[in-house]
Amino acid sequence: GENVEQHPSTLSVQEGDSAVIKCTYSDSASNYFPWYKQELGKGPQLIIDIRSNVGEKKDQRIAVTLNKTAKHFSLHITETQPEDSAVYFCAASIRGAQKLVFGQGTRLTINP
Amino acid sequence: GAVVSQHPSWVICKSGTSVKIECRSLDFQATTMFWYRQFPKQSLMLMATSNEGSKATYEQGVEKDKFLINHASLTLSTLTVTSAHPEDSSFYICSATKTSGKNTQYFGPGTRLTVL
Repeated sequence: GENVEQHPSTLSVQEGDSAVIKCTYSDSASNYFPWYKQELGKGPQLIIDIRSNVGEKKDQRIAVTLNKTAKHFSLHITETQPEDSAVYFCAASIRGAQKLVFGQGTRLTINP
Repeated sequence: GAVVSQHPSWVICKSGTSVKIECRSLDFQATTMFWYRQFPKQSLMLMATSNEGSKATYEQGVEKDKFLINHASLTLSTLTVTSAHPEDSSFYICSATKTSGKNTQYFGPGTRLTVL
């Protein structure tokens, strides 16, 4: 089955700098890759997603890139702000399936 | 919008009792809902997939007789933890996908279960 690896497990950046979180997946049949942000004690919130027919997607300060050949995708957050501090999860879904397979999560801390 | 609610947000119960958690899609119809469990500082673990009007599909290692799932309508799924024990204490989160949309999952706020 699908396996998703996420790195790093923790990331600390200075406010205003950029943060990058990377994920790799194992099943080449995966075609949907969402990213979720989870604040303490809350449910995950979808922040951006990408499908395998595109290589990059951007929404204001957040962008996701996908390399299907290498089977990895990354989350890029620019101009980081304290409110970006949270745990971020990547996930992958195999074409035709509804289930998501999640990465292990990255705890992002923005230092003021 | 795509709002999913859960009730209760937290619950404390005695060992051996049963607890029901509700998951509702507030502004869309959801043919499929998912139930996850999350232990502290860990990722989300899928417990089961719930389809409206049919039996839930449980992941390997999840006891279907202990975690009863009912998805009786397009906006409501319930998870009942039967004969709860302290090891069942966890954060339970549901998600839902729109009937009319793609496989994007929208998550509820979670329910913190503590079994004494």
